[in-house]
Amino acid sequence: DAKTTQPNSMESNEEEPVHLPCNHSTISGTDYIHWYRQLPSQGPEYVIHGLTSNVNNRMASLAIAEDRKSSTLILHRATLRDAAVYYCTPNAGGTSYGKLTFGQGTILTVHP
Amino acid sequence: DAGVTQSPTHLIKTRGQQVTLRCSPKSGHDTVSWYQQALGQGPQFIFQYYEEEERQRGNFPDRFSGHQFPNYSSELNVNALLLGDSALYLCASSRLGGGETYEQYFGPGTRLTVT
Repeated sequence: DAKTTQPNSMESNEEEPVHLPCNHSTISGTDYIHWYRQLPSQGPEYVIHGLTSNVNNRMASLAIAEDRKSSTLILHRATLRDAAVYYCTPNAGGTSYGKLTFGQGTILTVHP
Repeated sequence: DAGVTQSPTHLIKTRGQQVTLRCSPKSGHDTVSWYQQALGQGPQFIFQYYEEEERQRGNFPDRFSGHQFPNYSSELNVNALLLGDSALYLCASSRLGGGETYEQYFGPGTRLTVT
């Protein structure tokens, strides 16, 4: 299974952009990169995913390095509701489809 | 759409007992995965069910078993409970598509405490 490395914690002020990095240097060529977040007392929530190109959705943007060994989740304007643990996880295709490998994640604190 | 539902919410069992946890997937989803999340850790993959069969399995002992029903709902069974089995058990559902990858939707989890 591909391993991921993320900062243990990060802090941001409300309304400011947040860049959450993830290193996944052992990712295979067919693994998608998924990001989930987990708010207190809830199950993880899907945020965004991509394979090679940068991706945008209503929640966030995902910037994937050209060599795919790292990616960055971008929250354009952090809100208090964005305070959560953020996980990047390879999502394998083929027979391993759907097996998410979670690391420790990054605890994001958002200050008012 | 109710999303992924799990029952019960909380459960307290004694060491050596057996437990069954239940999960109903999001409407339209056919694949159910189970994860164990210890306090302060990320979720760990237990196994995945599709078409009523275990499709893949993580590094968990045979004490952990499961089942998927024709309506796609699923059960997780744990036998001979150990203190270390105390955790949040999460169910995630998704749609298995050929060649594509889809997001997984997680339920709120069942908090199991083994005393």
